[in-house]
Amino acid sequence: GAVVSQHPSRVICKSGTSVKIECRSLDFQATTMFWYRQFPKQSLMLMATSNEGSKATYEQGVEKDKFLINHASLTLSTLTVTSAHPEDSSFYICSASAGDQPQHFGDGTRLSIL
Amino acid sequence: AQRVTQPEKLLSVFKGAPVELKCNYSYSGSPELFWYVQYSRQRLQLLLRHISRESIKGFTADLNKGETSFHLKKPFAQEEDSAMYYCALSWSGGFKTIFGAGTRLFVKA
Repeated sequence: GAVVSQHPSRVICKSGTSVKIECRSLDFQATTMFWYRQFPKQSLMLMATSNEGSKATYEQGVEKDKFLINHASLTLSTLTVTSAHPEDSSFYICSASAGDQPQHFGDGTRLSIL
Repeated sequence: AQRVTQPEKLLSVFKGAPVELKCNYSYSGSPELFWYVQYSRQRLQLLLRHISRESIKGFTADLNKGETSFHLKKPFAQEEDSAMYYCALSWSGGFKTIFGAGTRLFVKA
């Protein structure tokens, strides 16, 4: 089946640093990749959607300068949290899909900013 | 505006009992609806989608446009069904998706 790999699974860093999270589709070409944020005991909140080779579409309230998304190829998308602060601490999940097929999810990245 | 409502945060049933996880949606166009499941310590994965009209692991879900519902049902719950279940609505060819708040199903022995 379709596999999505997300790395790293956990990262702890100091306030003010930038953190990059990678999302790879291992065995299929993902025309669309999605980035979600999940707060404790809450549902997934879509942050942005990206198509390969084009700019990401951000959801309302998500700062595009804060959360940089790059979808350079059909198998790789990255989310960079710039100048991270404690309030950015969360669980970030990526997913990928091909066309109108269902999304396949990564394992998520737990980001902790000290 | 698009919305997905899962009214129950927690649903607890005994093994062998029927189970129904409720999902209501709000969308003016033709919706595409999914159920995703997340077992303990595992990633979120697709359980079923309404257009395939299939039964997965004994679960079924019927889209009722009149009631704008997509409830997930299983006639006889098993302990291994214990998990977090999310109902999701997609549109714009899958480019947009929103998830419900999720329902935690606990099946007791």
